[in-house]
Amino acid sequence: QVQLQESGPELAKPSETLTLTCSVSGDSIISHYWTWLRQPPGKGLEWIGNVYYTGSTNYNPSLKSRVSILIDTSNNQFSLKLRSVTAADTAVYYCARQLNDYNPNRFDTWGRGTLVTVSS
Amino acid sequence: DIHMTQSPSILSASVGDRVTLTCRASQSIGSWLAWYQQKPGKAPKALIYRASALETGVPSTFSGSGSGTEFTLTISGLQPDDFATYYCQQYHTYPVSFGQGTKVEIK
Repeated sequence: QVQLQESGPELAKPSETLTLTCSVSGDSIISHYWTWLRQPPGKGLEWIGNVYYTGSTNYNPSLKSRVSILIDTSNNQFSLKLRSVTAADTAVYYCARQLNDYNPNRFDTWGRGTLVTVSS
Repeated sequence: DIHMTQSPSILSASVGDRVTLTCRASQSIGSWLAWYQQKPGKAPKALIYRASALETGVPSTFSGSGSGTEFTLTISGLQPDDFATYYCQQYHTYPVSFGQGTKVEIK
């Protein structure tokens, strides 16, 4: 059974770079696309971007200037770097699997999510 | 970018009711639409893909329909476990996008 687990800091300071990691078990990371999404408290879902095992990425234009998504095939992990964070980046961050039969695609498996608060 | 709009924002219903949620796309997305269920404090759970196909393990009380710009999610016979927030997502074009959600609450 595929499982995804987010890890990283619960608190970030304004202007810092936030780095989160998603560990994948039960599936090979070279099989699909891997995605980051977020959900501000009490609000809806926002797609951040995804990465393929080749390193190819797609980003939401609204965040593209501040986002990098990287993949580590040797450790079956992928990561999110979000630069120059502000309070508006406070959210639950989810990693998810995007099946590769179509591109783009829906997200069939999600991590539990990790709440990141941006505050000084 | 494609904008997704869901209605209503809140739907009050009783156990056993048949309810229909609507999702509209700002431009045609064919059948490239998914539905998710989210409960408080939990990650979204995939329910339906390609507008009408059930994900594995999803009960047949859930059904989806539509194409182009208008889509519906129907729950026939609401169960206590079905009270949640439901999101639609288009995956026709990057950036993929979600509706703002419909909360199904107990009347």
